[in-house]
Amino acid sequence: GAVVSQHPSRVICKSGTSVKIECRSLDFQATTMFWYRQFPKQSLMLMATSNEGSKATYEQGVEKDKFLINHASLTLSTLTVTSAHPEDSSFYICSARETRDNEQFFGPGTRLTVL
Amino acid sequence: GESVGLHLPTLSVQEGDNSIINCAYSNSASDYFIWYKQESGKGPQFIIDIRSNMDKRQGQRVTVLLNKTVKHLSLQIAATQPGDSAVYFCAENHNAGNMLTFGGGTRLMVKP
Repeated sequence: GAVVSQHPSRVICKSGTSVKIECRSLDFQATTMFWYRQFPKQSLMLMATSNEGSKATYEQGVEKDKFLINHASLTLSTLTVTSAHPEDSSFYICSARETRDNEQFFGPGTRLTVL
Repeated sequence: GESVGLHLPTLSVQEGDNSIINCAYSNSASDYFIWYKQESGKGPQFIIDIRSNMDKRQGQRVTVLLNKTVKHLSLQIAATQPGDSAVYFCAENHNAGNMLTFGGGTRLMVKP
């Protein structure tokens, strides 16, 4: 089946630094990728929809200048958390939608801890 | 606003018993529903899906039931095993936006 990878799987950083998370579709092309955030014992909340070659669409309440999304190719989207603070600590999950049939495949997630 | 929610946050069952996880949705325009399983520290894993033109779909040990009249979705797991212990999420999709909206999740705990 289709595989989506994320890198890194876990990152710990100091407050004020920026962190980049990569999401890759390994064996298929994804026109659209989605970024979710999940706090402990909560559900996945959609942050933004990333379309290859165009600007991302952010959900209400998500700061686009803080969570920078780049979808430069059909197999890679990146999420950069700028000037991270402890409240940004969360589990970030991406999904990629296959171009052919619109099915979404989820990555394994990235655990971000901001000290 | 529109939402997808669950009745029970935690479900504890005996190994070998059947499990039923429920989900209520409120967006009548939703036409596609998916159940995901999420183990601790991992991303969601697709279990089974159903389109709104169906009311039942079966997979291996799992069955999804859709009642559009009362906007209710359920996941039935037969002969529940310890490996089924996880958090289960329902998600809805309406074709206009083609985005997934997740429910709150139910933790399934299987007792040996």
